[in-house]
Amino acid sequence: DIVMTQTPLSLSVTPGQPATISCKSSQSLLHSDGKTSLCWYLQKPGQPPHLLIYEVSNRFSGVPDRFSGSGSGTDFTLSISRVEAEDVGVYYCVQSTQPPWTFGQGTKVEIK
Amino acid sequence: QVQLVESGGGVVQPGRSLRLSCAASGFTFRNYGMHWVRQGPGKGLEWVSLIWYDGSNKDYAESVKGRFTISRDNSKNTLYLQMDSLRVEDTAIYYCARGESRKLGAWGQGTLVTVSS
Repeated sequence: DIVMTQTPLSLSVTPGQPATISCKSSQSLLHSDGKTSLCWYLQKPGQPPHLLIYEVSNRFSGVPDRFSGSGSGTDFTLSISRVEAEDVGVYYCVQSTQPPWTFGQGTKVEIK
Repeated sequence: QVQLVESGGGVVQPGRSLRLSCAASGFTFRNYGMHWVRQGPGKGLEWVSLIWYDGSNKDYAESVKGRFTISRDNSKNTLYLQMDSLRVEDTAIYYCARGESRKLGAWGQGTLVTVSS
């Protein structure tokens, strides 16, 4: 199975400041169809997860443009340009290039 | 709007069975693959199973293979997860999610399964 490793596991951010979360996979996530199936999900407290970013850098419908994703191969990054209070929760990277789909451990983001 | 509503969770003894359901509405259910993802108490997310749009292909996490069975009834817009030989470590919130091009674009609110003697 592909192992997904996120860093840091927790992050405390001042509102208006940027935040960055790293995700590394144990194997390349480049699929044979040429796409890289790396997504980011946010789980707000008491809620199910929801999709933020798919295929490394594509924002899902309704996701604010302060969220962006980048990376390739085995190294990926989620960036929040200016953190807002509503961004608190746990962020997960997930690979779906190779079954079984695997999640990172999650990064808990808090507001200072 | 897209809605996924899980049901069937509860408290069950180790070794017993439980069947979860996920009722879908607001989209053409038969056109989408569907997944189950679970979250143990205080833990992260774990992918459990997927089924193709027509039920022709299924896949499972190693931790549930041979014990859980995913199925769907496209005439009822419903996804199922039959869970047999349950273990304490299967205790979790179980979410159903809509799959689309290798991403999970919609999630239900989840149903809690507690396996305890």
